[in-house]
Amino acid sequence: QVQLVQSGAEVKKPGASVKVSCKASGYTFTNYGISWMRQAPGQGLEWMGWISASAGYTNYAQKLQGRVTMTTDASTSTAYMELRSLRSDDTAVYYCARAPPYGANSEPFDYWGQGTLVTVSS
Amino acid sequence: EIVMTQSPATLSVSPGERATLSCRASQSVSSNLAWYQQKPGQAPRLLIYGASTRATGIPARFSGSGSGTEFTLTINSLQSEDFAIYYCQQYDNWPSFGQGTKLEIK
Repeated sequence: QVQLVQSGAEVKKPGASVKVSCKASGYTFTNYGISWMRQAPGQGLEWMGWISASAGYTNYAQKLQGRVTMTTDASTSTAYMELRSLRSDDTAVYYCARAPPYGANSEPFDYWGQGTLVTVSS
Repeated sequence: EIVMTQSPATLSVSPGERATLSCRASQSVSSNLAWYQQKPGQAPRLLIYGASTRATGIPARFSGSGSGTEFTLTINSLQSEDFAIYYCQQYDNWPSFGQGTKLEIK
């Protein structure tokens, strides 16, 4: 069965960086992409970006350009999302989800990770 | 960016009744529209894609309709496990989500 298992909760100070992992199993990792979303406390879902698991192509949400980097390691079927220069409003649960291999659009997100809480606090 | 607007923000319905949730896109997204259910402390779960196709394992009491800019999620004969937050999402362009509709017990 398809599973996406994310790394554990993180507490970071403003200005620091965080790197969240998402390990995939139950499907051929390089046949799909991975999208990342986040959800601030009590708020809705925000799409952050997409990465092709085979070629490493990326598309990032404009508001996060320059602060976010998404990577994959096909040898371990793991995707990573790094967010830099953290601010208090980056406090959120971060989710990975299986995505199409050729772009973030054209298909819905059928499998999601369990979420990783990132807290930014001084 | 395509803005998705859901209404109402909160919907109170009695178990066994029908719930109707709405989603509007700021521009046409064709049928590239999905609905997700989210319960507290859980990740979203895909319910409907292609505006009207139920995802694997989703009960038949869930149905979706619409195209272009206006979409509806209907839940018939509400069960206790259906009370949750529902999000619509367009994937016609870079993905964007509605702000959610909280379905609560009346």
